[in-house]
Amino acid sequence: DAGITQSPRHKVTETGTPVTLRCHQTENHRYMYWYRQDPGHGLRLIHYSYGVKDTDKGEVSDGYSVSRSKTEDFLLTLESATSSQTSVYFCAIGIYEQYFGPGTRLTVT
Amino acid sequence: LAKTTQPISMDSYEGQEVNITCSHNNIATNDYITWYQQFPSQGPRFIIQGYKTKVTNEVASLFIPADRKSSTLSLPRVSLSDTAVYYCLALSSNTGKLIFGQGTTLQVKP
Repeated sequence: DAGITQSPRHKVTETGTPVTLRCHQTENHRYMYWYRQDPGHGLRLIHYSYGVKDTDKGEVSDGYSVSRSKTEDFLLTLESATSSQTSVYFCAIGIYEQYFGPGTRLTVT
Repeated sequence: LAKTTQPISMDSYEGQEVNITCSHNNIATNDYITWYQQFPSQGPRFIIQGYKTKVTNEVASLFIPADRKSSTLSLPRVSLSDTAVYYCLALSSNTGKLIFGQGTTLQVKP
């Protein structure tokens, strides 16, 4: 399996609080992605990165920001969490063949 | 970036060949078609990717006609363990941006 981890794996937080999810890779891939997946739905791209400090928005970027200060780490921040952001968040690395992390289950109460 | 459309669900029986078709009418010149498989509570797993004509690997084949407006994933002789959701997506080779489709839930029966 590709060396990709996500932390935390589970988190419960309250509405209005900031939350940061971390994706860490040991594969030195240039491209990293953040997705969310809601029950019964496919994956939706939030943000992605094509290099250190190089990021772009996906289809559901409102309410989220990202940072990539080094190749191995890609951070996703919910600036002020809302209940609609309750979801499973997946990180992926690679481009033509992506490898996915185990996911983070986030609950916003 | 092209959006993709797939059937919501399909049923099959063990040992049969399964073909899942994906429509991508607005595919761009620089878009590649990629398929992923996802089991419950796991991240998706790459199956196959193509640009045009036919690509085959050890688990599947991908057929993309000359107009590239559709593609067909072919799974030979499915087993119960192939029960999963299959996603077709378009990837822009220019930007790296992609859009997952809604996915096809494949149920393989004994």
